[in-house]
Amino acid sequence: GQNIDQPTEMTATEGAIVQINCTYQTSGFNGLFWYQQHAGEAPTFLSYNVLDGLEEKGRFSSFLSRSKGYSYLLLKELQMKDSASYLCAVMDSNYQLIWGAGTKLIIKP
Amino acid sequence: DGGITQSPKYLFRKEGQNVTLSCEQNLNHDAMYWYRQDPGQGLRLIYYSQIVNDFQKGDIAEGYSVSREKKESFPLTVTSAQKNPTAFYLCASSEGLSGANVLTFGAGSRLTVL
Repeated sequence: GQNIDQPTEMTATEGAIVQINCTYQTSGFNGLFWYQQHAGEAPTFLSYNVLDGLEEKGRFSSFLSRSKGYSYLLLKELQMKDSASYLCAVMDSNYQLIWGAGTKLIIKP
Repeated sequence: DGGITQSPKYLFRKEGQNVTLSCEQNLNHDAMYWYRQDPGQGLRLIYYSQIVNDFQKGDIAEGYSVSREKKESFPLTVTSAQKNPTAFYLCASSEGLSGANVLTFGAGSRLTVL
């Protein structure tokens, strides 16, 4: 079966750095997405990786290793507004998105 | 501003009733989707549509129905056949189905069955 694994919850301190991991086992691979979702709101797109390596976008970076079935989202200089759930999703060989359950990130002052 | 509008935001239903959730987009996107979100689970695809008058079942289509009579609109009906309909429902759209297919989501509709 197809599977996406993420930690359920993480806690970090304002101003610090946090890394949210995502491992996947899917039927084929056509890219990996990260979305941010504040409680009760719509998910919003953060990043897309289809080739191995690091993609940097301001305070957020996303890394992909296709051979290891692994990605991480790195958040730097954490702010209170970064408290949210972070969803990892993989597009399989049929261009269907497989979603992880999300990681709830709690930022403490 | 372009976006997706879902309504209502909150909806209560008695058992045995059908309810329809509205989804409208002004992004000129071809593809539209309905997802269900439950605590502790990933988003699950209910139905999707690539073009007007055509739609396909997702992973959990039983007890749901959709229509796509206009490009902008993709309403979801939750029928009485859906055994556990209490959930957060998200509508999304994208330019297409393949590649770097970024989804734009609506704000969601929370359905509670009394």
